[in-house]
Amino acid sequence: GAGVSQSPSNKVTEKGKDVELRCDPISGHTALYWYRQSLGQGLEFLIYFQGNSAPDKSGLPSDRFSAERTGGSVSTLTIQRTQQEDSAVYLCASSLGGYGEQYFGPGTRLTVT
Amino acid sequence: DQQVKQNSPSLSVQEGRISILNCDYTNSMFDYFLWYKKYPAEGPTFLISISSIKDKNEDGRFTVFLNKSAKHLSLHIVPSQPGDSAVYFCAASNPYSGSARQLTFGSGTQLTVLP
Repeated sequence: GAGVSQSPSNKVTEKGKDVELRCDPISGHTALYWYRQSLGQGLEFLIYFQGNSAPDKSGLPSDRFSAERTGGSVSTLTIQRTQQEDSAVYLCASSLGGYGEQYFGPGTRLTVT
Repeated sequence: DQQVKQNSPSLSVQEGRISILNCDYTNSMFDYFLWYKKYPAEGPTFLISISSIKDKNEDGRFTVFLNKSAKHLSLHIVPSQPGDSAVYFCAASNPYSGSARQLTFGSGTQLTVLP
């Protein structure tokens, strides 16, 4: 009965470095979402995976951001050449199908120095 | 352009009283609205939702009201308990957006219930 897990919980990186954030969705959930929450802001949609369909990348803020989902389960969000404005909490959610209730992980707090 | 707005960043209420959290939206295409609750160092957890065909949905101490003409929804918690202290996010979805249930979130309201 494990929920959505994310790793690492905290990541501090230097400006210009690449980072990888990992999300393990709830087993059996076909839909997976990435959001980010910047300080004082609401959650901002980044990308959505549903089954074997092409991901919806409409929320990615720049081409430095990419994500993949291997085997329809684990997902990795990669940020290349990090900038200070990338500092935020990155949240992953999964759901049973595209219209199911979204269950969120605890997030990864990214700090770019 | 914020499509979902929570204009009160914080709210304090006495235990046992009613808490009313407000949310306004601008996109008339939104057809489904949700409230999430978030404790520190945890992800948001789903609380209650309402479809645009309804104007009220109740679940125990929690009731969500939707006023489509005013593009306004509110969450009522009665009676409020200290364990309700958390950040509450309003969210909305648009069935015509790219993702089936991509959620647009407000910036949250920190509720503090005083014992």
